[in-house]
Amino acid sequence: GNSVTQMEGPVTLSEEAFLTINCTYTATGYPSLFWYVQYPGEGLQLLLKATKADDKGSNKGFEATYRKETTSFHLEKGSVQVSDSAVYFCALTSNSGNTPLVFGKGTRLSVIA
Amino acid sequence: SQTIHQWPATLVQPVGSPLSLECTVEGTSNPNLYWYRQAAGRGLQLLFYSVGIGQISSEVPQNLSASRPQDRQFILSSKKLLLSDSGFYLCAWTGGRSTDTQYFGPGTRLTVL
Repeated sequence: GNSVTQMEGPVTLSEEAFLTINCTYTATGYPSLFWYVQYPGEGLQLLLKATKADDKGSNKGFEATYRKETTSFHLEKGSVQVSDSAVYFCALTSNSGNTPLVFGKGTRLSVIA
Repeated sequence: SQTIHQWPATLVQPVGSPLSLECTVEGTSNPNLYWYRQAAGRGLQLLFYSVGIGQISSEVPQNLSASRPQDRQFILSSKKLLLSDSGFYLCAWTGGRSTDTQYFGPGTRLTVL
């Protein structure tokens, strides 16, 4: 079945550091790939998505590229801020609208000033 | 625009008491609806999803149940809560123009004592 593996946290970075959170997946066919962010005490918010190979999703300075050859969708940001402290979830779904998302276990990011 | 509501926001219940959590979606019709649970410091566990009124798929056997009495209403229930039911409950929906993207509600924090 479909699965998502993302790097274990927590990740602690200083402000303005470069961020990478690794995500790899196993899926049949051509899944859509997502990154969600969860700020403390809140629900999940869609951060970015990509629906086909080589697509790059981007939002709020975050980027991730859909790499089919390496089955990866790593999240990157060139310069993190304290306000980026949150839990980040990688997820996938098949291109059937009725299929629930499959989530990774989440990576907690803490950015210190 | 579409919005998703959950209530209550927080709930403290004794062991053995009943539970009813409600989720409603506005601004769309015939959404797919989902219930997730997030235990403290852990990832997301899909509990139930529904593709239409009266249609419920259960992902894990437990003392929780779900119902969908109206198109945009999804209810999570229990007859007798256990300590292990404590957690953060999230409702999500898909539909409209982007059928593969899930949008999450603000969540309900449940503490069972």
